Amino acid sequence: NAGVTQTPKFRILKIGQSMTLQCTQDMNHNYMYWYRQDPGMGLKLIYYSVGAGITDKGEVPNGYNVSRSTTEDFPLRLELAAPSQTSVYFCASSYSSLLDAEAFFGQGTRLTVV
Amino acid sequence: RKEVEQDPGPFNVPEGATVAFNCTYSNSASQSFFWYRQDCRKEPKLLMSVYSSGNEDGRFTAQLNRASQYISLLIRDSKLSDSATYLCVVNEGVTGGGNKLTFGTGTQLKVEL
Repeated sequence: NAGVTQTPKFRILKIGQSMTLQCTQDMNHNYMYWYRQDPGMGLKLIYYSVGAGITDKGEVPNGYNVSRSTTEDFPLRLELAAPSQTSVYFCASSYSSLLDAEAFFGQGTRLTVV
Repeated sequence: RKEVEQDPGPFNVPEGATVAFNCTYSNSASQSFFWYRQDCRKEPKLLMSVYSSGNEDGRFTAQLNRASQYISLLIRDSKLSDSATYLCVVNEGVTGGGNKLTFGTGTQLKVEL
């Protein structure tokens, strides 16, 4: 049972480079999320999706883009990497119920922009 | 005011101690509440949901006070393995339905011999 799988686990980018963080889940969850976590800080929501074809901005969307063409996949795109995007990125998915909204997380992607 | 506020700690306690964490949230329309545990450099994992009537899971007890917009987590008989960061999570919901999970910054617990 794979759950939520993120790739890559680690990446170093140069300023201005682009990359896509991959996220896939096999639990048939409608809801998927991207969070970033800076050292000593909580998780901040970047983008989320309530189903295939639907995405919406979270708290810190600037500098990122997402797409949700299938239920399983929710990639996060960084177009022009900046040092401020150095962080740990977590993808998560959850059930639709408000009262049973347990989020299952991937293992994270540690991104450094230099 | 932060949407979800926690004391960052660290709480350093001896093994066997009882420790309590608190969390306040700003959105009175929040729908559901959770405590997550995050080990160092790992992903967060659900510890327990929090219900209005209070709920207990072994050594862990969670309480919710909607009137005061306050959530608590009590850990009894602390173990070394309880050392982690505990995240308070509030599901605010979104217009039209859906979940919007807002995380606190976490409270760090260190259980010592």
